[in-house]
Amino acid sequence: DQQVKQNSPSLSVQEGRISILNCDYTNSMFDYFLWYKKYPAEGPTFLISISSIKDKNEDGRFTVFLNKSAKHLSLHIVPSQPGDSAVYFCAAPLFTSGTYKYIFGTGTRLKVLA
Amino acid sequence: KAGVTQTPRYLIKTRGQQVTLSCSPISGHRSVSWYQQTPGQGLQFLFEYFSETQRNKGNFPGRFSGRQFSNSRSEMNVSTLELGDSALYLCAGSTGTGELFFGEGSRLTVL
Repeated sequence: DQQVKQNSPSLSVQEGRISILNCDYTNSMFDYFLWYKKYPAEGPTFLISISSIKDKNEDGRFTVFLNKSAKHLSLHIVPSQPGDSAVYFCAAPLFTSGTYKYIFGTGTRLKVLA
Repeated sequence: KAGVTQTPRYLIKTRGQQVTLSCSPISGHRSVSWYQQTPGQGLQFLFEYFSETQRNKGNFPGRFSGRQFSNSRSEMNVSTLELGDSALYLCAGSTGTGELFFGEGSRLTVL
């Protein structure tokens, strides 16, 4: 059962335009979400997060929006740059029995065209 | 400060063999989690160790095991390798809550 879903395996965007990466979740227990970015031959690195008490969090060119009623979050990158080309994963911590594990989506490969 | 170190970076094994992967988290990070990344499956959670104790486990068969040492370094072992075990194995350290800090991964190919 995929509790965190990224339905678009890939996305191509022109440099300077907006990139929108989507993520849906099914578990209402999630109260915190993160986005990770992964370049080839490197481990994922933390990008931005959002708590469920917010509907928006912004950090420079990156903004994450959360729609709790729709169980949907999206990552906006404006303006997109070629260096943003990477695989993006959304993730949520699942707390069980006093501890937690992160549930990751399948990732979206973003390609920003120069 | 030094990042998360995973060894080996690449390895090739044959079916039926076993493999041990190592992960050294950032100093002070007592939690180590392991993930398997395969195309189309994203990052699948294997297990998490905190202070030498397994706190959480994913839905993988018993062939996948791990342990953590007193210095927080962790190893994972896969026995009786199958072709489907070919993947990138990532470990991530954390303080126990919050952000995960990933290593570069160990890419395992099973022939």
